[in-house]
Amino acid sequence: AQSVTQLGSHVSVSEGALVLLRCNYSSSVPPYLFWYVQYPNQGLQLLLKYTSAATLVKGINGFEAEFKKSETSFHLTKPSAHMSDAAEYFCAVSELGSSNTGKLIFGQGTTLQVKP
Amino acid sequence: GAVVSQHPSRVICKSGTSVKIECRSLDFQATTMFWYRQFPKQSLMLMATSNEGSKATYEQGVEKDKFLINHASLTLSTLTVTSAHPEDSSFYICSATVRGAYIGNEKLFFGSGTQLSVL
Repeated sequence: AQSVTQLGSHVSVSEGALVLLRCNYSSSVPPYLFWYVQYPNQGLQLLLKYTSAATLVKGINGFEAEFKKSETSFHLTKPSAHMSDAAEYFCAVSELGSSNTGKLIFGQGTTLQVKP
Repeated sequence: GAVVSQHPSRVICKSGTSVKIECRSLDFQATTMFWYRQFPKQSLMLMATSNEGSKATYEQGVEKDKFLINHASLTLSTLTVTSAHPEDSSFYICSATVRGAYIGNEKLFFGSGTQLSVL
């Protein structure tokens, strides 16, 4: 079975500092990977996705993530944090073998705090 | 872009009553919808997969008689929490996808969620 582990339930950075949110996955075959952001009392918004094309994926709001097969990782980064980046971030992997597209397995989530 | 509308955004009900949550795809036909549940400070857990015109597929541990899912049309899926109890209080989120869409393409969208509080 596939799984996703997000290291660090809470990450705090200063405004302008590098953002690094860690995600490791477990899968017997190359997965499709996603990062979502969730603001308080809202649904999820897709930041970026990896679908076996380029290993470095660029998303919205200046975020990017790199798929590293050897490390089974898909860490999310942003060079310079903004106050508006404060939110909950979820890493997700597609469930292989499912006849229904869109069935995702989510990590535990990481709360990003941005300090002025 | 495509929009998934989820209603209501927040509901408070008394224990023992039933609550219906609607999930609508506004500008596309969603043959498959997913219902997730999220407890405070926790991740999203898939509850069930809803296919238009057929019975929903529930994940292990989810009571299908308690969480009734109906996907009667290509644009609407509903989740009814029957005989709600305080432990059912949670954030419920739906997502919708389109038939034939491959994993990873853009045709997967999430609703804004429903915060259910059972007193």
